[in-house]
Amino acid sequence: DQQVKQNSPSLSVQEGRISILNCDYTNSMFDYFLWYKKYPAEGPTFLISISSIKDKNEDGRFTVFLNKSAKHLSLHIVPSQPGDSAVYFCAASGGSNYKLTFGKGTLLTVNP
Amino acid sequence: GAGVSQSPSNKVTEKGKDVELRCDPISGHTALYWYRQSLGQGLEFLIYFQGNSAPDKSGLPSDRFSAERTGGSVSTLTIQRTQQEDSAVYLCASSPYGDGYTFGSGTRLTVV
Repeated sequence: DQQVKQNSPSLSVQEGRISILNCDYTNSMFDYFLWYKKYPAEGPTFLISISSIKDKNEDGRFTVFLNKSAKHLSLHIVPSQPGDSAVYFCAASGGSNYKLTFGKGTLLTVNP
Repeated sequence: GAGVSQSPSNKVTEKGKDVELRCDPISGHTALYWYRQSLGQGLEFLIYFQGNSAPDKSGLPSDRFSAERTGGSVSTLTIQRTQQEDSAVYLCASSPYGDGYTFGSGTRLTVV
């Protein structure tokens, strides 16, 4: 049973445009959500997070939106750059359990 | 050290052999996690160590898998009698307390 779902295995966008990566979750106990970025042959690196008490968090070109009623979050990258090309993982945790549950990832390709 | 160090970076083993994977977390990080990523899959939780508490082993896929964390620092993940389905990238992460994972680069295990 996949509790965190990233339904798009891949996404291709043009440099300078907006990239929108989506994530859905099923566990209502999740209250903290994160996005990780992974380049080939490297470990995932933390990108941005959001607590369930907020519906938006922004850090430079990256913004995460949370819709709790829909159990949906999204990562917006504006403007997209070729160096953003990587696999993006959505992750969630809940309560006092710090174990992260990850989605399968979305491969973002930003074309010059 | 500056980051989470994993060794070896690559391991090829014959089916039925035992393997040991090592993780050196960031000094002072009390939490340590093992995840694995099989081809086309997300990051699958394996085991979580937090300080001196009993580890959360709920993600270990079978009794062939075990892990230790000595002295609250270095961790070893052991897979006995390896099978081809064990082939994956095994990722270790550490954090100061639950939040803010830093991942290592992983060990790519191939069972032939």
